[in-house]
Amino acid sequence: DAGVIQSPRHEVTEMGQEVTLRCKPISGHNSLFWYRQTMMRGLELLIYFNNNVPIDDSGMPEDRFSAKMPNASFSTLKIQPSEPRDSAVYFCASSFDGASTDTQYFGPGTRLTVL
Amino acid sequence: SQQGEEDPQALSIQEGENATMNCSYKTSINNLQWYRQNSGRGLVHLILIRSNEREKHSGRLRVTLDTSKKSSSLLITASRAADTASYFCATGAGTASKLTFGTGTRLQVTL
Repeated sequence: DAGVIQSPRHEVTEMGQEVTLRCKPISGHNSLFWYRQTMMRGLELLIYFNNNVPIDDSGMPEDRFSAKMPNASFSTLKIQPSEPRDSAVYFCASSFDGASTDTQYFGPGTRLTVL
Repeated sequence: SQQGEEDPQALSIQEGENATMNCSYKTSINNLQWYRQNSGRGLVHLILIRSNEREKHSGRLRVTLDTSKKSSSLLITASRAADTASYFCATGAGTASKLTFGTGTRLQVTL
């Protein structure tokens, strides 16, 4: 099994540019989560989906952030326009049926640097 | 906002010693999980304990949960250099899918 796949692994961009992060969850998993990790704020849940439907986006910092899940095997997190304070490692995770007792499987993360 | 606070923030021990990490949380939960993160990697699930359980074991891991004190501990026995990582507790509540992660403990195991 390939596990959760994220791309790109590293992204360096300039302030004001659009950034798109991609995630492929584990096949058969029905829930997908986007997290952001920084030294200052730790690991924060941005948004999660159940069966491709966004359930809770209360962690999305502001309107510059948007996430989509057009099908069960693909999700994107977009930042437009990007700012230096968005620099962080972004993780995608998936779980089988979305219960809080489920194990979440994390991808390797995308390290974003906004100059 | 963070639900769990780990203590200590950092821990350095020698190989063969036991490592104990603590997690405190604020609201009612139905389960608590521990995850490990190696440097530059994603988190990996270690163990889950439900709110009606007090202790669980998995290999060299022992987890306790005290819901009256809203706290949990993770004990790693006979530590190895490969255990060097950050360890996070995560709490789940109700029927919601989401977990809330703590601040993490950085464990360094030296030879």
